[in-house]
Amino acid sequence: RKEVEQDPGPFNVPEGATVAFNCTYSNSASQSFFWYRQDCRKEPKLLMSVYSSGNEDGRFTAQLNRASQYISLLIRDSKLSDSATYLCVVINTGGFKTIFGAGTRLFVKA
Amino acid sequence: DAGVIQSPRHEVTEMGQEVTLRCKPISGHDYLFWYRQTMMRGLELLIYFNNNVPIDDSGMPEDRFSAKMPNASFSTLKIQPSEPRDSAVYFCASSKIVAGASYEQYFGPGTRLTVT
Repeated sequence: RKEVEQDPGPFNVPEGATVAFNCTYSNSASQSFFWYRQDCRKEPKLLMSVYSSGNEDGRFTAQLNRASQYISLLIRDSKLSDSATYLCVVINTGGFKTIFGAGTRLFVKA
Repeated sequence: DAGVIQSPRHEVTEMGQEVTLRCKPISGHDYLFWYRQTMMRGLELLIYFNNNVPIDDSGMPEDRFSAKMPNASFSTLKIQPSEPRDSAVYFCASSKIVAGASYEQYFGPGTRLTVT
């Protein structure tokens, strides 16, 4: 079993739709959680950190459920420019070993 | 301010040749990470350094791979000898860790390696 698992998609949604991605992780000692975004043939870039209390940044909301060991990303009012691959990222306790999920591809169409 | 710089951006080489990838982290960052990305395996951490010291190299696939960080502004990832299965995009990332706070890894543009 992979340490970080994501639904690869692709998710095909119309503009304006709300879409949610989930990610599960297997190491209960994981300490930090993030969502990164990667455009085609580009480098990954931080989208947002994920906190236990949940956090929001504009149209994006991230949630962490430590008991069930999953994190989620909600995108409201999808834009064409949201089309990308979204990577779930987990950092384990005791260092900064960073584990990326395989990514979920999102296509937003007009 | 310049971001993470990687060179070369593209490398095509023949099996058996030595390949050296280079990275210049963002000034002031004290962590440097090397990743490999393929369609089959996704983005994998190979090794990371803190203050130029290798901390965890458990992701390095085999002895053909080696990484060094001789100073705070330069790191290399070397593959010798290279094999076709090493074909991938290799990313370097840097970060400044602040205790008690979340942090961001800044990625370079990557080196696209093709081994024929």
